[in-house]
Amino acid sequence: LAKTTQPISMDSYEGQEVNITCSHNNIATNDYITWYQQFPSQGPRFIIQGYKTKVTNEVASLFIPADRKSSTLSLPRVSLSDTAVYYCLVGASGGYSTLTFGKGTMLLVSP
Amino acid sequence: DGGITQSPKYLFRKEGQNVTLSCEQNLNHDAMYWYRQDPGQGLRLIYYSQIVNDFQKGDIAEGYSVSREKKESFPLTVTSAQKNPTAFYLCASSIDSRVTTEAFFGQGTRLTVV
Repeated sequence: LAKTTQPISMDSYEGQEVNITCSHNNIATNDYITWYQQFPSQGPRFIIQGYKTKVTNEVASLFIPADRKSSTLSLPRVSLSDTAVYYCLVGASGGYSTLTFGKGTMLLVSP
Repeated sequence: DGGITQSPKYLFRKEGQNVTLSCEQNLNHDAMYWYRQDPGQGLRLIYYSQIVNDFQKGDIAEGYSVSREKKESFPLTVTSAQKNPTAFYLCASSIDSRVTTEAFFGQGTRLTVV
């Protein structure tokens, strides 16, 4: 299973762009990269998923370089409500049950 | 509204008692999962089910049991054999077990054993 490494925490201010990088040096050919967001005392929520290059949706963008050994979740113009834990997951073979939710990155957005 | 519902939100039990946590989904999803989360930690997989009448142990199944008699229901029993049961329990479901499908999580049950 590909192991992921993320910063434990990040701080930002409202209106700024936030980039959270996840390292996954052992990513396999079939692996996808998925990001989830979790607010305190709630279940995680799917944000975005990608395989290569760039993926964008209404919430975030996901940048994946050609070697796929890392990925960056980009949150444009964050607000206080974006304060949450963000998880990077990598996997494919064996299905969803093999995805590992590590400790994630705690993003704190201040006024 | 379609979704996944866990109940109760808070649960208190005495040590040595078994307790069952409810998880119901009306999303017509085949796959369902139970996770445990301890303070400041990530989620750890307890059990998962890819289809009705079938389930598999996750990383920390000892002291837990599940059943999947109906597609929409996946209850988790925390038995007295679980040495440290106080935690936040999360149930999730997805269309199937492929990683490319989105998982939908319930609001969680916070279990406190005294």
